[in-house]
Amino acid sequence: AQSVTQLGSHVSVSEGALVLLRCNYSSSVPPYLFWYVQYPNQGLQLLLKYTTGATLVKGINGFEAEFKKSETSFHLTKPSAHMSDAAEYFCAVSPLAYGSSNTGKLIFGQGTTLQVKP
Amino acid sequence: DTEVTQTPKHLVMGMTNKKSLKCEQHMGHRAMYWYKQKAKKPPELMFVYSYEKLSINESVPSRFSPECPNSSLLNLHLHALQPEDSALYLCASSQEVPGNTIYFGEGSWLTVV
Repeated sequence: AQSVTQLGSHVSVSEGALVLLRCNYSSSVPPYLFWYVQYPNQGLQLLLKYTTGATLVKGINGFEAEFKKSETSFHLTKPSAHMSDAAEYFCAVSPLAYGSSNTGKLIFGQGTTLQVKP
Repeated sequence: DTEVTQTPKHLVMGMTNKKSLKCEQHMGHRAMYWYKQKAKKPPELMFVYSYEKLSINESVPSRFSPECPNSSLLNLHLHALQPEDSALYLCASSQEVPGNTIYFGEGSWLTVV
Protein backbone atom coordinates (compact mmCIF):
# COMPACT_ATOMS: atom_id res chain seq x y z
CA ALA A 1 0.00 0.00 0.00
CA GLN A 2 1.16 3.51 -0.73
CA SER A 3 1.78 6.02 2.03
CA VAL A 4 3.29 9.46 2.48
CA THR A 5 5.28 10.79 5.40
CA GLN A 6 5.96 14.47 5.87
CA LEU A 7 8.75 15.03 8.36
CA GLY A 8 7.99 17.95 10.61
CA SER A 9 4.45 19.07 11.21
CA HIS A 10 5.67 22.63 11.72
CA VAL A 11 8.57 24.42 10.04
CA SER A 12 9.60 27.96 10.88
CA VAL A 13 11.99 30.02 8.74
CA SER A 14 12.99 33.64 8.55
CA GLU A 15 11.98 35.73 5.58
CA GLY A 16 14.62 35.31 2.87
CA ALA A 17 15.83 31.97 4.21
CA LEU A 18 15.75 28.62 2.43
CA VAL A 19 12.54 26.65 2.71
CA LEU A 20 12.85 22.86 2.88
CA LEU A 21 9.77 20.72 3.43
CA ARG A 22 10.39 16.98 3.54
CA CYS A 23 8.27 14.27 1.98
CA ASN A 24 8.97 10.55 1.76
CA TYR A 25 6.71 8.05 0.09
CA SER A 26 6.27 4.34 0.33
CA SER A 27 5.38 2.51 -2.84
CA SER A 28 6.45 -0.60 -4.69
CA VAL A 29 6.74 1.47 -7.85
CA PRO A 30 7.39 5.19 -8.25
CA PRO A 31 3.99 6.84 -8.00
CA TYR A 32 2.80 10.18 -9.26
CA LEU A 33 3.78 12.80 -6.67
CA PHE A 34 2.22 16.15 -5.87
CA TRP A 35 2.71 19.12 -3.60
CA TYR A 36 -0.36 21.16 -2.74
CA VAL A 37 -0.55 24.38 -0.71
CA GLN A 38 -3.49 25.49 1.38
CA TYR A 39 -3.68 29.10 2.51
CA PRO A 40 -5.86 29.88 5.53
CA ASN A 41 -9.55 29.41 4.87
CA GLN A 42 -8.97 28.33 1.27
CA GLY A 43 -8.96 25.18 -0.82
CA LEU A 44 -5.90 23.34 -2.06
CA GLN A 45 -3.78 24.69 -4.89
CA LEU A 46 -1.31 22.60 -6.86
CA LEU A 47 2.28 23.78 -6.48
CA LEU A 48 3.91 21.15 -8.66
CA LYS A 49 3.79 17.51 -9.61
CA TYR A 50 6.05 14.72 -10.80
CA THR A 51 4.79 12.19 -13.30
CA THR A 52 7.65 11.05 -15.51
CA GLY A 53 10.78 12.54 -17.03
CA ALA A 54 12.93 15.18 -15.40
CA THR A 55 13.37 14.54 -11.71
CA LEU A 56 13.70 18.23 -10.81
CA VAL A 57 10.26 19.75 -11.05
CA LYS A 58 9.62 23.47 -11.01
CA GLY A 59 6.35 24.82 -9.75
CA ILE A 60 4.58 28.06 -9.05
CA ASN A 61 5.74 30.82 -6.72
CA GLY A 62 9.41 29.82 -6.99
CA PHE A 63 9.02 26.35 -5.49
CA GLU A 64 10.69 23.25 -6.83
CA ALA A 65 10.99 19.62 -5.81
CA GLU A 66 13.33 16.81 -6.70
CA PHE A 67 12.22 13.23 -7.12
CA LYS A 68 14.85 10.87 -5.71
CA LYS A 69 13.90 7.27 -6.35
CA SER A 70 16.80 5.86 -4.32
CA GLU A 71 15.68 7.83 -1.27
CA THR A 72 11.94 7.57 -2.00
CA SER A 73 11.78 11.29 -1.40
CA PHE A 74 10.16 14.31 -2.99
CA HIS A 75 11.29 17.26 -0.88
CA LEU A 76 9.98 20.76 -1.60
CA THR A 77 12.34 23.72 -1.63
CA LYS A 78 12.35 27.45 -2.22
CA PRO A 79 15.58 29.47 -2.11
CA SER A 80 14.13 32.50 -0.37
CA ALA A 81 11.01 32.49 1.79
CA HIS A 82 8.46 35.23 1.55
CA MET A 83 5.87 36.16 4.15
CA SER A 84 3.15 35.14 1.70
CA ASP A 85 4.47 31.56 1.72
CA ALA A 86 3.05 30.97 5.19
CA ALA A 87 0.52 28.19 4.69
CA GLU A 88 -0.14 24.47 5.06
CA TYR A 89 1.69 22.24 2.60
CA PHE A 90 0.59 18.75 1.66
CA CYS A 91 2.59 16.12 -0.16
CA ALA A 92 0.46 13.51 -1.95
CA VAL A 93 0.81 10.41 -4.09
CA SER A 94 -1.51 9.01 -6.70
CA PRO A 95 -1.73 5.44 -7.92
CA LEU A 96 -0.24 4.59 -11.29
CA ALA A 97 -2.96 2.25 -12.42
CA TYR A 98 -5.82 3.51 -14.50
CA GLY A 99 -9.27 2.58 -13.41
CA SER A 100 -12.23 3.87 -11.48
CA SER A 101 -11.06 2.16 -8.31
CA ASN A 102 -7.98 4.33 -8.23
CA THR A 103 -9.03 7.61 -9.74
CA GLY A 104 -8.95 10.49 -7.31
CA LYS A 105 -7.36 8.47 -4.57
CA LEU A 106 -4.80 11.04 -3.64
CA ILE A 107 -3.00 9.80 -0.56
CA PHE A 108 -1.97 12.82 1.49
CA GLY A 109 0.71 13.26 4.06
CA GLN A 110 -0.26 14.82 7.37
CA GLY A 111 0.78 18.26 6.24
CA THR A 112 3.45 20.75 7.25
CA THR A 113 2.64 24.21 8.52
CA LEU A 114 5.17 26.73 7.24
CA GLN A 115 5.67 29.80 9.39
CA VAL A 116 7.71 32.70 7.97
CA LYS A 117 9.13 35.15 10.48
CA PRO A 118 9.93 38.74 9.53
CA ASP B 1 -10.00 28.47 -16.75
CA THR B 2 -8.97 26.12 -13.97
CA GLU B 3 -11.75 26.73 -11.51
CA VAL B 4 -14.03 24.68 -9.33
CA THR B 5 -16.80 26.74 -7.78
CA GLN B 6 -18.49 25.74 -4.54
CA THR B 7 -21.57 27.17 -2.84
CA PRO B 8 -22.30 28.10 -0.16
CA LYS B 9 -18.97 29.10 1.38
CA HIS B 10 -20.41 28.80 4.87
CA LEU B 11 -23.35 26.77 6.12
CA VAL B 12 -24.75 26.35 9.61
CA MET B 13 -27.38 23.68 10.02
CA GLY B 14 -29.23 21.93 12.78
CA MET B 15 -29.14 18.20 13.22
CA THR B 16 -32.65 17.81 11.83
CA ASN B 17 -32.14 20.03 8.79
CA LYS B 18 -31.74 19.05 5.16
CA LYS B 19 -29.28 21.10 3.13
CA SER B 20 -27.13 20.72 0.04
CA LEU B 21 -23.64 21.71 -1.02
CA LYS B 22 -23.13 22.51 -4.68
CA CYS B 23 -20.11 22.32 -6.95
CA GLU B 24 -19.57 23.32 -10.56
CA GLN B 25 -16.68 23.04 -13.02
CA HIS B 26 -16.41 23.96 -16.67
CA MET B 27 -13.06 22.40 -17.47
CA GLY B 28 -14.57 19.39 -19.22
CA HIS B 29 -13.37 17.09 -16.46
CA ARG B 30 -15.16 13.75 -16.25
CA ALA B 31 -14.12 12.88 -12.70
CA MET B 32 -15.50 14.81 -9.74
CA TYR B 33 -14.86 14.30 -6.05
CA TRP B 34 -15.99 15.19 -2.58
CA TYR B 35 -13.38 15.42 0.15
CA LYS B 36 -13.86 16.18 3.84
CA GLN B 37 -11.21 18.07 5.78
CA LYS B 38 -11.07 18.56 9.53
CA ALA B 39 -8.96 21.31 11.04
CA LYS B 40 -5.20 20.71 10.82
CA LYS B 41 -5.74 17.43 8.96
CA PRO B 42 -5.32 16.37 5.34
CA PRO B 43 -8.39 15.99 3.12
CA GLU B 44 -10.12 12.61 3.19
CA LEU B 45 -11.80 11.25 0.10
CA MET B 46 -15.55 10.67 0.42
CA PHE B 47 -16.94 10.06 -3.08
CA VAL B 48 -15.77 9.87 -6.67
CA TYR B 49 -17.94 10.29 -9.72
CA SER B 50 -16.63 9.10 -13.04
CA TYR B 51 -18.59 10.02 -16.17
CA GLU B 52 -21.51 10.97 -13.94
CA LYS B 53 -21.62 7.60 -12.23
CA LEU B 54 -20.66 7.00 -8.63
CA SER B 55 -17.47 4.97 -8.75
CA ILE B 56 -16.12 5.26 -5.21
CA ASN B 57 -17.89 5.59 -1.88
CA GLU B 58 -15.35 5.49 0.93
CA SER B 59 -17.80 3.98 3.41
CA VAL B 60 -19.44 7.34 4.01
CA PRO B 61 -22.54 7.37 6.27
CA SER B 62 -25.83 7.54 4.43
CA ARG B 63 -26.63 10.92 5.94
CA PHE B 64 -24.34 12.19 3.15
CA SER B 65 -25.89 11.64 -0.28
CA PRO B 66 -23.99 12.67 -3.42
CA GLU B 67 -25.57 13.48 -6.74
CA CYS B 68 -24.11 14.26 -10.15
CA PRO B 69 -26.87 15.81 -12.31
CA ASN B 70 -24.54 16.32 -15.28
CA SER B 71 -20.86 16.37 -16.14
CA SER B 72 -20.38 19.90 -14.75
CA LEU B 73 -22.32 19.69 -11.51
CA LEU B 74 -21.88 17.81 -8.28
CA ASN B 75 -24.08 18.06 -5.21
CA LEU B 76 -23.77 16.74 -1.69
CA HIS B 77 -27.10 16.39 0.10
CA LEU B 78 -26.94 16.54 3.87
CA HIS B 79 -29.54 15.17 6.27
CA ALA B 80 -29.57 14.43 9.99
CA LEU B 81 -25.93 15.34 10.43
CA GLN B 82 -24.03 15.17 13.68
CA PRO B 83 -21.85 17.87 15.24
CA GLU B 84 -18.77 15.78 14.41
CA ASP B 85 -19.62 16.23 10.73
CA SER B 86 -18.62 19.87 11.03
CA ALA B 87 -15.71 20.34 8.64
CA LEU B 88 -14.53 21.88 5.39
CA TYR B 89 -16.04 20.04 2.42
CA LEU B 90 -13.94 20.26 -0.71
CA CYS B 91 -15.12 19.54 -4.20
CA ALA B 92 -12.54 18.66 -6.84
CA SER B 93 -12.34 17.59 -10.44
CA SER B 94 -9.87 16.13 -12.90
CA GLN B 95 -9.50 14.32 -16.15
CA GLU B 96 -9.92 10.62 -15.60
CA VAL B 97 -6.29 9.82 -16.34
CA PRO B 98 -3.71 8.71 -13.75
CA GLY B 99 -1.36 11.48 -12.76
CA ASN B 100 -3.64 14.26 -13.88
CA THR B 101 -3.93 17.24 -11.63
CA ILE B 102 -6.90 17.27 -9.29
CA TYR B 103 -8.28 20.79 -9.03
CA PHE B 104 -9.91 21.78 -5.76
CA GLY B 105 -12.57 24.34 -5.01
CA GLU B 106 -12.37 26.80 -2.13
CA GLY B 107 -14.55 24.57 -0.01
CA SER B 108 -17.76 24.89 1.97
CA TRP B 109 -17.41 25.36 5.71
CA LEU B 110 -20.11 23.33 7.42
CA THR B 111 -21.08 23.76 11.06
CA VAL B 112 -23.63 21.38 12.55
CA VAL B 113 -25.32 22.66 15.71
